[in-house]
Amino acid sequence: KNQVEQSPQSLIILEGKNCTLQCNYTVSPFSNLRWYKQDTGRGPVSLTIMTFSENTKSNGRYTATLDADTKQSSLHITASQLSDSASYICVVSAAASGGSYIPTFGRGTSLIVHP
Amino acid sequence: DAGVIQSPRHEVTEMGQEVTLRCKPISGHDYLFWYRQTMMRGLELLIYFNNNVPIDDSGMPEDRFSAKMPNASFSNLKIQPSEPRDSAVYFCASSRRVSGANVLTFGAGSRLTVL
Repeated sequence: KNQVEQSPQSLIILEGKNCTLQCNYTVSPFSNLRWYKQDTGRGPVSLTIMTFSENTKSNGRYTATLDADTKQSSLHITASQLSDSASYICVVSAAASGGSYIPTFGRGTSLIVHP
Repeated sequence: DAGVIQSPRHEVTEMGQEVTLRCKPISGHDYLFWYRQTMMRGLELLIYFNNNVPIDDSGMPEDRFSAKMPNASFSNLKIQPSEPRDSAVYFCASSRRVSGANVLTFGAGSRLTVL
């Protein structure tokens, strides 16, 4: 069964500090991995997407890494800001029948940035 | 583009009543997904459509749930009769496959409370 596990479940950090969120997955056959940010009361918004051949991708202060051998990904946030407070969801897609790609969602890491 | 549009944003109803949630996907997207999000389970895929055809409805909890996509610009999710355990945020997302990857765009969600 395809699964995506995220850790920690929640995290509180001080503004300006860095943090790293983890994602482990058992999804096969692997197609791509994405990190989404979900602000309270909003739908998730895509931050990064990585395919099998990519092992790092940045989007501003967000840097995602992928180790396809160990089936792990991390999302590193640099110099955190209050607006980074949100839930971060790891999503891994497997190739499905008919050429479609169906995502499996992790439960997310809730990040709170304190001033 | 206005993005994925969902209505209503909030719905409060009594147990036993019928609930209808609506979604307008992004024009040109050929995939449409319905998700349910709760604190306990995170985001759960209920059903998804490709070119208006339901592909996988294995996530639909039980017969009380049904979803239709009569055309490329509209889908609805119905719960009849509703129960308190159906209380959750229901998200609609749409996507089109680009380079083998589905990047989902989510609506703002419909928060359902069943009393």
